[in-house]
Amino acid sequence: KQEVTQIPAALSVPEGENLVLNCSFTDSAIYNLQWFRQDPGKGLTSLLLIQSSQREQTSGRLNASLDKSSGRSTLYIAASQPGDSATYLCAVPTRELGSTLGRLYFGRGTQLTVWP
Amino acid sequence: DTGVSQNPRHKITKRGQNVTFRCDPISEHNRLYWYRQTLGQGPEFLTYFQNEAQLEKSRLLSDRFSAERPKGSFSTLEIQRTEQGDSAMYLCASSTRDPYSLHFGNGTRLTVT
Repeated sequence: KQEVTQIPAALSVPEGENLVLNCSFTDSAIYNLQWFRQDPGKGLTSLLLIQSSQREQTSGRLNASLDKSSGRSTLYIAASQPGDSATYLCAVPTRELGSTLGRLYFGRGTQLTVWP
Repeated sequence: DTGVSQNPRHKITKRGQNVTFRCDPISEHNRLYWYRQTLGQGPEFLTYFQNEAQLEKSRLLSDRFSAERPKGSFSTLEIQRTEQGDSAMYLCASSTRDPYSLHFGNGTRLTVT
C-alpha cells in the first residue's frame, strides 16, 4: 500500500518569505501527484497536478516539482501572503488493479501560517 | 457550476444513533466519491460510484456504513449505531470522466458523544 508522508507538519513564516513544503511516497511507480489546499473546516481545492512524466508544474506563485526515482515532491510558494495560510496536502492515485483512479492516498498535510 | 454541496455541515449525535448525510455533486459529473478525514489526518477513501453503481468500497466501510446513489445524481451516506470513533469530517467529491479532476464539497463534520 502506498504511504505518503509530509514534512513539516506545521510551518509558521512571516509574510514575503519563500517556502518549501515536502512530500514523499513509498511506491515510486505513480501515475501523477497532486497538491491540494484545505482551509479550516472546508473541503479540498486542487492546486497543481504533475504527471509522472513531468518534472515541474507551475501556477502563479506556486511551483511543484516531482522526482519519481527518489519518491519525493516539493511545493514551492514564492512571496508568501497571509491568504496562503491553510493546510497543504499531497496525494497520489492508487495503482491497485481494478481500483478507481480517483482513489487517492493523501499525506497528513502541512499546516501553513503566514503572519503579516 | 455551483460546486459540490453537502448537508448538513455539522451533525452532533449520541453514540448508538443512526445518521445520514447527503451529497449533491456537480450536475454533469457521473463519478462520485466519499472520503473520511479525522483530525490531523489526510482524507481516506471510503467508496466510489459511477452513475448509480457503487463500484468500489474500502475496508474502512464497515457493515454499519451504507452509501447509495439511487438515480445517479445525489448520494447518501448512512452510519448505523454510531460509535465515538466515527467522529470525523465526511467529504464528498465528484468528477467527470477525468478521475484526477476531483471537486470536493465542504464536508459534513460528525461528532459522536
